[in-house]
Amino acid sequence: GAGVSQSPSNKVTEKGKDVELRCDPISGHTALYWYRQSLGQGLEFLIYFQGNSAPDKSGLPSDRFSAERTGGSVSTLTIQRTQQEDSAVYLCASSLLGGGNEKLFFGSGTQLSVL
Amino acid sequence: AQSVTQPDIHITVSEGASLELRCNYSYGATPYLFWYVQSPGQGLQLLLKYFSGDTLVQGIKGFEAEFKRSQSSFNLRKPSVHWSDAAEYFCAVGAGTYKYIFGTGTRLKVLA
Repeated sequence: GAGVSQSPSNKVTEKGKDVELRCDPISGHTALYWYRQSLGQGLEFLIYFQGNSAPDKSGLPSDRFSAERTGGSVSTLTIQRTQQEDSAVYLCASSLLGGGNEKLFFGSGTQLSVL
Repeated sequence: AQSVTQPDIHITVSEGASLELRCNYSYGATPYLFWYVQSPGQGLQLLLKYFSGDTLVQGIKGFEAEFKRSQSSFNLRKPSVHWSDAAEYFCAVGAGTYKYIFGTGTRLKVLA
């Protein structure tokens, strides 16, 4: 596609429910990142994919968080048993190869609100 | 440990005034440095990047940034701010083969 697409743009859920956030990166980009943006906290790294593999999951806050990527393309971030502290904007980004010198292309994010 | 500091959380300038947003980094090697801008409800967009060579880097929308190794800084500047520049600005360092460290952002308000 023309850019990184994320869905849904907004998600309101009740505490304890599971949610799935989707990211469709730019076609041909092998690297995919998930970040969490909380008010005043900047961007918090969650997970990095190279192809379908996730060599770095170190940023996932707890075992309630998981992510997968299939076909070297679409990625899904799943949060189980959501808590109020999970409320944030979840941003996905992709880049061509995954080097630390590349331009990241960001989606518009999913605003998650846990009531 | 690698880190990026943006000391100003909020900055307010008048339209037409000059702008400087500060960024300091901590990184053991020669860094790759970036500035991104985020408009409300949008993702981040790259303004400019520094890898090597000329320490004054030109970017989009009339922005520039200067890398100063001695001060571990990469400040963003614009000679004359437009109302459409109101947004949040993030400095980032490329910290390895794939990792990027972002600052906490500076929110810019522009007065008419």
